[in-house]
Amino acid sequence: QVQLVQSGAEVKKPGASVKVSCKASGYTFANYGISWVRQAPGQGLEWMGWISVQNGDTNYAQKVQGRVTMTTDTSTSTVYMELRSLRSDDTAVYYCARTYTSGLTHYWGQGTLVTVSS
Amino acid sequence: EIVLTQSPGTLSLSPGERATLSCRASQSVSSNYLAWYQQKPGQAPRLLIYGASSRATDIPDGFSGSGSGTDFTLTISRLEPEDFAVYYCQQYGSSPLTFGGGTKVEIK
Repeated sequence: QVQLVQSGAEVKKPGASVKVSCKASGYTFANYGISWVRQAPGQGLEWMGWISVQNGDTNYAQKVQGRVTMTTDTSTSTVYMELRSLRSDDTAVYYCARTYTSGLTHYWGQGTLVTVSS
Repeated sequence: EIVLTQSPGTLSLSPGERATLSCRASQSVSSNYLAWYQQKPGQAPRLLIYGASSRATDIPDGFSGSGSGTDFTLTISRLEPEDFAVYYCQQYGSSPLTFGGGTKVEIK
């Protein structure tokens, strides 16, 4: 069955960086992209961007452009999302999700809580 | 950027009742690429509907989606206890992808 397993919770200080991983299994990794969506505590969903696993193309939301990098490691079927220059308003649960070329996300990871606090 | 406005913010209903959730887009959604997700506390969102009206795999037929252009609706025909949750619409027809603010369906 399709599974996306994310790395564990992180606590970071303002200005630091965080790198969250998303390991895929149960499907042909190269056939789908991966999107990242975050959710601040008690808030709604915010799309952060998408990466094509096939060729590494990326599309980032303007809000995080310049601070985010999404990468893939096809040898381990893992996608990474690195967010730099962390601020308190980056505190959120970060989700990865398998994405069709249309942009539709279907299967989601379990989420990774990133807390930014001094 | 397409802004999605969901209404109402909260819907208070009893089990067995019908729920009608609205999602209005600030401009036409390309190819009616509009999805609905259900999210329960502590869980990841779950895809219910895509392409405005197609049910995702294993989604009960009590969930249905309709609409086109800028106005979309999610209908739950008879609320089961497990249907009380927050529902989000999302457009994936143009970048940036955007989500609505959500509708909470709570037990009356």
